[in-house]
Amino acid sequence: QVQLVQSEAEVKKPGASVKVSCKASGFTFSDHHMHWVRQAPGQGLEWMGWVHPNGVYTNYLQKFQDRVTMTRDTSITTVYMELSRLTSDDTAVYYCAREGIGDWGFRAFNLWGQGTMVTVSS
Amino acid sequence: QSALTQPPSASGSPGQSVTISCTGTSSDVGGYNYVSWYRQHPGKAPKVMIYEVSKRPSGVPDRFSGSKSGNTASLTVSGLQADDEADYYCASYTGNDKYVFGTGTKVTVL
Repeated sequence: QVQLVQSEAEVKKPGASVKVSCKASGFTFSDHHMHWVRQAPGQGLEWMGWVHPNGVYTNYLQKFQDRVTMTRDTSITTVYMELSRLTSDDTAVYYCAREGIGDWGFRAFNLWGQGTMVTVSS
Repeated sequence: QSALTQPPSASGSPGQSVTISCTGTSSDVGGYNYVSWYRQHPGKAPKVMIYEVSKRPSGVPDRFSGSKSGNTASLTVSGLQADDEADYYCASYTGNDKYVFGTGTKVTVL
């Protein structure tokens, strides 16, 4: 079954870090860029960045540049997003999303995880 | 990079059509044919409905269509159904391998 399954919800204190995982199955994981998108409560979608199929290259939205790290482990077809120095503004649902390739969804997000709620509260 | 501008809400009766606009700049919507549209039901993950401005993924009904003129892209939903009631977001490639989403539009089926 083609799917992305994310880790469970997290509650963190301000200043802490969180690491969210996203397990891929049912497709050739190494073919696809993997992106992260977040959505604060009642707000819109915000693109955060991506990790290249080779796991070496990444590209982040400038506002997250100094505190986000996106990685992937091809051996277990899993991508990770770690966000540090959390504040209450980081309270959101975090989604992983697969970018399409070739004629199907190049530069679009054609498969999404179920989302992981991250709550930052003292 | 500012979010693309969408109207906050749109509505229509069952069977009617609704069109949602997505306005950006020449650095995003106007500069590339990589505009996509997503439908999101409450509490659910988004689902792609249109990619590359006007292409429809397999399984998406042809009631959904996309277009672009200059810096504004549009999504039209024809023959509105109850299940079309949801939030809709556009997204655009912005160059330098980055992306931006729209502000979102809540579609209500009257």
